Amino acid sequence: QQPVQSPQAVILREGEDAVINCSSSKALYSVHWYRQKHGEAPVFLMILLKGGEQKGHEKISASFNEKKQQSSLYLTASQLSYSGTYFCGTGGLWGSSNTGKLIFGQGTTLQVKP
Amino acid sequence: NAGVTQTPKFRVLKTGQSMTLLCAQDMNHEYMYWYRQDPGMGLRLIHYSVGEGTTAKGEVPDGYNVSRLKKQNFLLGLESAAPSQTSVYFCASAPPDLAFTFGSGTRLTVV
Repeated sequence: QQPVQSPQAVILREGEDAVINCSSSKALYSVHWYRQKHGEAPVFLMILLKGGEQKGHEKISASFNEKKQQSSLYLTASQLSYSGTYFCGTGGLWGSSNTGKLIFGQGTTLQVKP
Repeated sequence: NAGVTQTPKFRVLKTGQSMTLLCAQDMNHEYMYWYRQDPGMGLRLIHYSVGEGTTAKGEVPDGYNVSRLKKQNFLLGLESAAPSQTSVYFCASAPPDLAFTFGSGTRLTVV
């Protein structure tokens, strides 16, 4: 089941903050976040694991709410380089019954203006 | 370090033709994946592999076949191409710490 991202699109001015949400109807074991610029491949940003462990970039933060089965990505003091499409992916932990399969949401387009 | 390399980068096929997309990674990753990306649809998983000699179906496997004969290579085949398979195809590989590395993509047009 594909996770649902919200909002679908957001426009910011430089320096403003943004939050992107990712919700799943299934229990989440891990959530990945990637950013894709137009015509390029997705690039890794963050992984959140069940239990609260985070791995990723220093300037981007995220939360993982097991009860709500939702993750949120926080972009603070946005820069022009933050523009792009953000994807969340939900999947299983290595070594669990899941195989590491990752299903992505439909994406959130972020545009940062000067 | 090349990372994940996809070939070809562009291809135009006629309906009914067959082709193979090659994905090669030099990071010794166990897991490899094929996704397709269409406007407004995000990245949809076609097939994936958790190790040499193993493959599994993803969300949209119909019309595609895969093989993982060597750990570093993951091949995606289209036996009889259809216009609905016009898309951008991304390969990815994953190390034990879960972060995916994507290739630069293959833009396929079926006419």
